[in-house]
Amino acid sequence: GQQVMQIPQYQHVQEGEDFTTYCNSSTTLSNIQWYKQRPGGHPVFLIQLVKSGEVKKQKRLTFQFGEAKKNSSLHITATQTTDVGTYFCAGRGSQGNLIFGKGTKLSVKP
Amino acid sequence: NAGVTQTPKFQVLKTGQSMTLQCAQDMNHEYMSWYRQDPGMGLRLIHYSVGAGITDQGEVPNGYNVSRSTTEDFPLRLLSAAPSQTSVYFCASSYTGGAYQTQYFGPGTRLLVL
Repeated sequence: GQQVMQIPQYQHVQEGEDFTTYCNSSTTLSNIQWYKQRPGGHPVFLIQLVKSGEVKKQKRLTFQFGEAKKNSSLHITATQTTDVGTYFCAGRGSQGNLIFGKGTKLSVKP
Repeated sequence: NAGVTQTPKFQVLKTGQSMTLQCAQDMNHEYMSWYRQDPGMGLRLIHYSVGAGITDQGEVPNGYNVSRSTTEDFPLRLLSAAPSQTSVYFCASSYTGGAYQTQYFGPGTRLLVL
């Protein structure tokens, strides 16, 4: 079945360093969503990308959707301790449901 | 609006016991779904519903039943709990076109099966 792969699984950074997580699909995606889950919390929607090559920014977060619509990335500039959590990408599966990647757990050392 | 609510927050069961995890939303969302989250496995879809009276299986449906008698409620039933069902369960809802719409997640239910 369709899979959404996400790397890395873990990332430890010093506060102020940049962070990037990558999402890859075995098939073309119609859209991709990104979620953030704080420790002990629930996933919270961040953004949705729909167009090939689309780039969206939210303050220090930059989201990209690949030209072939098979990959996406989330880049955080100058991480802060408030960025700690697990970041998930999710793409549309063949049944029309969201298929989630396994997530990238980010820890930030002050 | 309360958003998506789930009860209970925590539950301990013995193998073979049954229970129902409750999920309710007050946003008039048509699409509702249940996920389980295990370490290193991400979020896996158990069952989903596109509207009252309509349910379908997700990626990992075995051992779980659902029903959708109203737009607001989408309970998840464990008929005979097994240790493999120890997990964190999240309910989510959205407007129509589930995968295209923002998913709103509940706070989760942490289940331990002994």
